[in-house]
Amino acid sequence: EVQVLESGGGLVQPGGSLRLSCAASGFTFSNFAMSWVRQAPGKGLEWVSVISVSGDITYYADSVKGRFTISRDNSKNTLYLQMNSLRAEDTAIYYCGKDRCSSSNCPIDYWGQGTLVTVSS
Amino acid sequence: DIQMTQSPSSLSASVGDRVTITCRASQSISTYLNWYQQKPGKAPKLLIYAVSSLQNGVPPRFTGSGSGTDFTLTISSLQPEDFATYYCQQSYSTPLTFGGGTKVEIK
Repeated sequence: EVQVLESGGGLVQPGGSLRLSCAASGFTFSNFAMSWVRQAPGKGLEWVSVISVSGDITYYADSVKGRFTISRDNSKNTLYLQMNSLRAEDTAIYYCGKDRCSSSNCPIDYWGQGTLVTVSS
Repeated sequence: DIQMTQSPSSLSASVGDRVTITCRASQSISTYLNWYQQKPGKAPKLLIYAVSSLQNGVPPRFTGSGSGTDFTLTISSLQPEDFATYYCQQSYSTPLTFGGGTKVEIK
């Protein structure tokens, strides 16, 4: 059974940093691109970032470019999102997702349950 | 960036109704259009990818159509478990933008 499980969310002050992790199982992790999507409270979905199978190609939403870094460790079947210079508007549930294919323009076919990040003083 | 516009933003319907949701892209996205369903407090779920391909396990009452800039999601006979919010997403180019969502409520 395919599973992706996020961790690392919590309360952080503006300007602070947080690292999210996403543990994957039930599929060959190194064969699929992986993504992060977020959802602010009561709002719609916002795509955040995607990473290629080998980790050498990454893309970001303009709203997080230069502040967030996506990475992966295929030996540990784990996806990461390093978030720096956090702002109040980054407050959201962050979802990890397995992409349906290996390229960076595929839909997410399996989603985690999400981890809440709250940026507040 | 490609903007995705969904309409309506919400609708009320009864069990058994035929429901249609539209999604318009700000430029041509060929057939790189996906649909997700999200229920309150839950993660989104992929329903349809590449305009009309049904994800495994999704009932055939869900169908997608369109190409270029205009797309539709149709639920042929609304079931109680279909009351949710639906999002379109383009996967033509990064950033892979979502529409604003359509909330389907019980009439």
